[in-house]
Amino acid sequence: EVQLVESGGGLVKPGGSLRLSCVASGFTFSNYTMNWVRQAPGKGLEWVSYISSTATYVDYADSVKGRFTISRDNAKKSLYLQMNNLKAEDTAVYYCVRERILWFEDLLSGAVFDPWGQGTLVTVSS
Amino acid sequence: DIVMTQSPESLAVSLGERATINCKSSQSVLYSSNSKNFLAWFQQKPGQPPKLLIYWASARESGVPERFSGSGSGTDFTLTINSLQAEDVAVYYCQQYYSTPQTFGQGTKVELK
Repeated sequence: EVQLVESGGGLVKPGGSLRLSCVASGFTFSNYTMNWVRQAPGKGLEWVSYISSTATYVDYADSVKGRFTISRDNAKKSLYLQMNNLKAEDTAVYYCVRERILWFEDLLSGAVFDPWGQGTLVTVSS
Repeated sequence: DIVMTQSPESLAVSLGERATINCKSSQSVLYSSNSKNFLAWFQQKPGQPPKLLIYWASARESGVPERFSGSGSGTDFTLTINSLQAEDVAVYYCQQYYSTPQTFGQGTKVELK
């Protein structure tokens, strides 16, 4: 069974730091691009960051660029999100999400977010 | 960034009736090379992560009941839930994966009437 388990969330003061982790199982982690997606309480979904399978490529939402750093350790089947200079608006459940490539007639035809971890709650408050 | 707009924000449907959710993208998500729309639908129940229902706008994910169907192309899409069941009460999101950043609609809450 494919599984993603996040940890590391908690209560942190504005300006503080937190490191989220996600451990994968049930699939060959090193073959997949991974993402972080967040959801503020009672709100919608916001993509935060992605990292390619070999960590060659990364990207961030403008809202976190310069403050968050995504990384991975394929030997440990783990994904990380280092969050610095946290703001109240970063308060959210953070989901670890695998990117599954879609194939159509042997051609790469997009990639969908599947599956999602259960999420870890980050609360930024004084 | 591609902006995804869903309507309505919420709807109440009786058991066994049909629910229809609309999603509009600010630009086309049709990939001309293979004529696939890079549009997905997710279901999120309270306290759970989102679950993929539909991809390529109309392809049902394995294990998803046949009462869920997706349609549309280009910029206008629809998720239809035929014969609504109690377990379908959830928030539904559309998402485009045509370009980075992948963006989501604001969600549509489906409740029982």
